[in-house]
Amino acid sequence: KAGVTQTPRYLIKTRGQQVTLSCSPISGHRSVSWYQQTPGQGLQFLFEYFSETQRNKGNFPGRFSGRQFSNSRSEMNVSTLELGDSALYLCASSWNSGTGKGAQYFGPGTRLLVL
Amino acid sequence: QKEVEQDPGPLSVPEGAIVSLNCTYSNSAFQYFMWYRQYSRKGPELLMYTYSSGNKEDGRFTAQVDKSSKYISLFIRDSQPSDSATYLCAPYSGGYNKLIFGAGTRLAVHP
Repeated sequence: KAGVTQTPRYLIKTRGQQVTLSCSPISGHRSVSWYQQTPGQGLQFLFEYFSETQRNKGNFPGRFSGRQFSNSRSEMNVSTLELGDSALYLCASSWNSGTGKGAQYFGPGTRLLVL
Repeated sequence: QKEVEQDPGPLSVPEGAIVSLNCTYSNSAFQYFMWYRQYSRKGPELLMYTYSSGNKEDGRFTAQVDKSSKYISLFIRDSQPSDSATYLCAPYSGGYNKLIFGAGTRLAVHP
């Protein structure tokens, strides 16, 4: 079974621009979560989608948004980029329906550099 | 106080050593406990996954949870250079897939 895939793998943007990152979950997984990883803050939860609905959201500003499509693929968008948004953005998928074990499987990440 | 505390290391050990990696947490609602391994410039890889207190063994790896003291451990026996990575603990309450990660401990196993 193919793992979680993320595109693009690397991205360079300038301040003020916006960016869209894509994630394809493991086949059969309906939950997709997004995390931001930085050296200073570590891995932080952004949001989680299940069946096209956002079920949970972390403490990030409204510039960070996401969506999920009917095939479970997900995108996240960051508008008005700031230097501090430079990070590794990770997507994780799980089968979990919100009531159980929630083992999450991560993709390789998209490394975003904001200049 | 952070919900999950983990010593970032780095931890340097010789090949063949027994490694002990630890986390403490503050939220009593955590029921599931995961350990992830992350190699440089890669995404985290699920290593071990335990429910409630007790031990779980998988090859050279043993995960231990003590809910009474809110203490999580991962032991690596006969450590290998290929074990050199960052190890992240991630307790989980069972809610909507919000993992809370520790800072990660960077481990280096030298030949």
